[in-house]
Amino acid sequence: TQLLEQSPQFLSIQEGENLTVYCNSSSVFSSLQWYRQEPGEGPVLLVTVVTGGEVKKLKRLTFQFGDARKDSSLHITAAQPGDTGLYLCAGAFSGNTPLVFGKGTRLSVIA
Amino acid sequence: DAGVIQSPRHEVTEMGQEVTLRCKPISGHNSLFWYRQTMMRGLELLIYFNNNVPIDDSGMPEDRFSAKMPNASFSTLKIQPSEPRDSAVYFCASRPPSITDTQYFGPGTRLTVL
Repeated sequence: TQLLEQSPQFLSIQEGENLTVYCNSSSVFSSLQWYRQEPGEGPVLLVTVVTGGEVKKLKRLTFQFGDARKDSSLHITAAQPGDTGLYLCAGAFSGNTPLVFGKGTRLSVIA
Repeated sequence: DAGVIQSPRHEVTEMGQEVTLRCKPISGHNSLFWYRQTMMRGLELLIYFNNNVPIDDSGMPEDRFSAKMPNASFSTLKIQPSEPRDSAVYFCASRPPSITDTQYFGPGTRLTVL
């Protein structure tokens, strides 16, 4: 059983389109992170959200943490080919424990 | 600043051979994680260390896998004997003591077992 479910698993869109990907769980997290992984590289942290309902923006990317701290979404406005990659969400529990990762959403933005 | 360093970046070996993957965490980080990534299973935690001590190795698939961290700046993941189903990308990540919800990943080792 996957603790963090990400959807969709795959997404292929045209340059300029908007998209939203989701990260859902039945568990409550102390914080949640989004990572982006490009081919041949390791995941790179994009953002950490900590407070229920929190919204963070990173240029064209908007991240939201659910009120109950069980889920999160990532919205990309006017997607560009450079946004192509695997987007992973990861949840943290309190204390010195490892992150729990979802399987990711593989995004392809076509020029 | 140097990030997490992994070597080799690519490894091709034959079934039955021993494979050793290496990781140098970011200086000052006190937690180190080994992950395996495949398309089918995503990113799986194999083992993690805190202050060089193995804390949880429940993700290690079987006795063929072993990991060590002899000091704060070096860790190895060994597979002996290797099998084709071990083919995957293996990542090492480290974490600083002050920020427990952020991990920094290395570039990974792509292992192919023929």
